[in-house]
Amino acid sequence: GNSVTQMEGPVTLSEEAFLTINCTYTATGYPSLFWYVQYPGEGLQLLLKATKADDKGSNKGFEATYRKETTSFHLEKGSVQVSDSAVYFCALSLNTGFQKLVFGTGTRLLVSP
Amino acid sequence: AAGVIQSPRHLIKEKRETATLKCYPIPRHDTVYWYQQGPGQDPQFLISFYEKMQSDKGSIPDRFSAQQFSDYHSELNMSSLELGDSALYFCASSPSRAEQFFGPGTRLTVL
Repeated sequence: GNSVTQMEGPVTLSEEAFLTINCTYTATGYPSLFWYVQYPGEGLQLLLKATKADDKGSNKGFEATYRKETTSFHLEKGSVQVSDSAVYFCALSLNTGFQKLVFGTGTRLLVSP
Repeated sequence: AAGVIQSPRHLIKEKRETATLKCYPIPRHDTVYWYQQGPGQDPQFLISFYEKMQSDKGSIPDRFSAQQFSDYHSELNMSSLELGDSALYFCASSPSRAEQFFGPGTRLTVL
């Protein structure tokens, strides 16, 4: 089946530290890959996406590259801020049918000043 | 820009009661998705509608039903509520099966 595996959290960093959150996937076919962010008490916001192999999604200093050979889509940011504290979800959708999202378990990021 | 609207934002019900959650998609979005997120869990797909027809079904209990109306808004009806139904329910909309935009969610608490 289709699934997403994320590193467990919480990930605790100091401000301006480098961030990596690992995400690997299993899918039939070639999915689109997404990172969503959820701030406390809020809904899910799309952070970035990539629709095919070797694509790099980027937004607000975050980046992730679609690696077909390693079935990975790791999230990175060079210098985190306190305001980046949130839960990050990696997700996939197949490019056929009605593209329901399959989410990973989420990784909580805590950034301290 | 207009976003997905969900109502109510918070709902408290007793066991065995019924609940109706509403979702108003972004204008001109023809597809609506419903997800359930339990405490500390990832969102799980429940059901989706495209052009007012059910397009896909996930792990939705038989006690739940949903529909999409002619104005494209959708309602999730939940009957015989159980304690385990307490969760955050998200609606998302998309234009023709493209990127999904999520609403703020409805937090349902079953006592």
